[in-house]
Amino acid sequence: KAGVTQTPRYLIKTRGQQVTLSCSPISGHRSVSWYQQTPGQGLQFLFEYFSETQRNKGNFPGRFSGRQFSNSRSEMNVSTLELGDSALYLCASSLANYYEQYFGPGTRLTVT
Amino acid sequence: QKEVEQDPGPLSVPEGAIVSLNCTYSNSAFQYFMWYRQYSRKGPELLMYTYSSGNKEDGRFTAQVDKSSKYISLFIRDSQPSDSATYLCAMTPGTASKLTFGTGTRLQVTL
Repeated sequence: KAGVTQTPRYLIKTRGQQVTLSCSPISGHRSVSWYQQTPGQGLQFLFEYFSETQRNKGNFPGRFSGRQFSNSRSEMNVSTLELGDSALYLCASSLANYYEQYFGPGTRLTVT
Repeated sequence: QKEVEQDPGPLSVPEGAIVSLNCTYSNSAFQYFMWYRQYSRKGPELLMYTYSSGNKEDGRFTAQVDKSSKYISLFIRDSQPSDSATYLCAMTPGTASKLTFGTGTRLQVTL
């Protein structure tokens, strides 16, 4: 069974721009969660989508948004990029619960 | 103070040693406890999860949860150089609640 895939793997953007990241979950998984990982803060939960509905949200500003499509693929968008948004963005999928999540390789975003 | 505390290391051990990795937490509502392994430039990989207190064994790995002390551990027996990675603990109150992660412990197993 194929794992979680994320595209692109690397991205360089300029302050003020916006970016869209994509995640394809494991086949059959309906839950997709997004995380931001930085050396200082570690892994922080952004939001989770289950069957196209946002089920949970972390403490990030409204510049961070996401959506899920009917095939469970998910996208995350960050508008008006700031230098502090530079991070590894990870997506994880699961059948339905949070305790058995499988992560993708991540998208490394650098904001200059 | 963070909800989940984890010593960042690095922890360096010789090949074959028993490794003990630990996390403490403050939220008594946590019921599910996970351990992830993350190699450099990769996403975290789920090693195992446990529910409530007790032990769980999977090959060379044993997870232990002591809810009375709010303390969880991961033991690695017969450690190998391939175990060199960052180990993250994570926990959640329930099946539909978000995960809270520790910051990770970097482990290096030397020949």
